[in-house]
Amino acid sequence: AQSVTQLGSHVSVSEGALVLLRCNYSSSVPPYLFWYVQYPNQGLQLLLKYTSAATLVKGINGFEAEFKKSETSFHLTKPSAHMSDAAEYFCAVTGSGRDSSYKLIFGSGTRLLVRP
Amino acid sequence: NAGVTQTPKFQVLKTGQSMTLQCAQDMNHNSMYWYRQDPGMGLRLIYYSASEGTTDKGEVPNGYNVSRLNKREFSLRLESAAPSQTSVYFCASIPVGGGNTEAFFGQGTRLTVV
Repeated sequence: AQSVTQLGSHVSVSEGALVLLRCNYSSSVPPYLFWYVQYPNQGLQLLLKYTSAATLVKGINGFEAEFKKSETSFHLTKPSAHMSDAAEYFCAVTGSGRDSSYKLIFGSGTRLLVRP
Repeated sequence: NAGVTQTPKFQVLKTGQSMTLQCAQDMNHNSMYWYRQDPGMGLRLIYYSASEGTTDKGEVPNGYNVSRLNKREFSLRLESAAPSQTSVYFCASIPVGGGNTEAFFGQGTRLTVV
């Protein structure tokens, strides 16, 4: 069964500082991994996805994530936070095997606060 | 394009009442999902439909039923609402069954059970 764990329900950074949001996954099959962002009172939108083509994945709005199989991690980073990055971020996993490829499972989310 | 449309956007129910949440997508996607979002718990999968004609339980299916009416529509039914079902419900669709494709989300239904 697949699962994801996001460490830290809230992360606070200063504007211009590095953003690091942590995600660890568990999967019995090679996973596909995603980061989604949710702005207040909205649905989720895709930031980036890992599909095994490259371990370093670049997404929208300057975010990127690195897949590390040895650490079962897929942490999200951005070199310099902007006020508009304040939102909730979700890591998600789905499997590549027939029995698991249809379940898209989310972590509990991390709310990013950006201080002026 | 409308994308994924959920109705209603808001609903207040009394304990024991029933209701159906509607979801429709106009992107010809195969797979559809229902999630509930609660503070501190992220999105939890209730039910999903890998393709038209199939449905499967997710992480928290108790108290819910679903119908994949056709390729476009996937409804979620609460037969006897309970306060524990107060939540924000999201419908999502994916072009093909899971895998590496992006999920598209509706705007959510905020349900309160009193």
